[in-house]
Amino acid sequence: GAVVSQHPSRVICKSGTSVKIECRSLDFQATTMFWYRQFPKKSLMLMATSNEGSKATYEQGVEKDKFLINHASLTLSTLTVTSAHPEDSSFYICSAWTGVDTQYFGPGTRLTVL
Amino acid sequence: EDKVVQSPLSLVVHEGDTVTLNCSYEVTNFRSLLWYKQEKKAPTFLFMLTSSGIEKKSGRLSSILDKKELFSILNITATQTGDSAVYLCAVGPYNTDKLIFGTGTRLQVFP
Repeated sequence: GAVVSQHPSRVICKSGTSVKIECRSLDFQATTMFWYRQFPKKSLMLMATSNEGSKATYEQGVEKDKFLINHASLTLSTLTVTSAHPEDSSFYICSAWTGVDTQYFGPGTRLTVL
Repeated sequence: EDKVVQSPLSLVVHEGDTVTLNCSYEVTNFRSLLWYKQEKKAPTFLFMLTSSGIEKKSGRLSSILDKKELFSILNITATQTGDSAVYLCAVGPYNTDKLIFGTGTRLQVFP
């Protein structure tokens, strides 16, 4: 089946620093990747839709200058949390769309900002 | 506004019990409904349903969709402790690749 990887799986950083999270589709090409955020015991909240070669589409309330998304190739999308603050601590999950109907999810990245 | 509602929010059962998880939705131009299982990490895909009345089955798990009444159920028979997880329902509208997620049902299976 389709495999999506994320790196790193866990990151701890100081307030004010920037953190980059990578999402890769390993055995298929994904024209569309999605970035979600999940708070403890809550469901997934879509942050943005990332299309290869074009600007990401952000959901209402998500700051595009804070959460920079780049989809440079059909197998790689990156999310950079700029000037991270403790309230940005969360579980970030990417998914890749296979071109049919199913999104396949990466294993997630747990970000802790001190 | 599109929305997906799951019930119950949480469920505690003993091994061997059968459980039914519910998902109702209000979505413009429905395309598909998906069920995911989430343990400690990211969700893993279980089923995708597009047509009413056709049961999808995988081992002890099965699911069916009712497009007239706008809901789906996920059944798990002979539950095991390994079934303990959050089960997420998501709906995909026709005009977008996005998925709209419900809040999930947290299932705990005790020996």
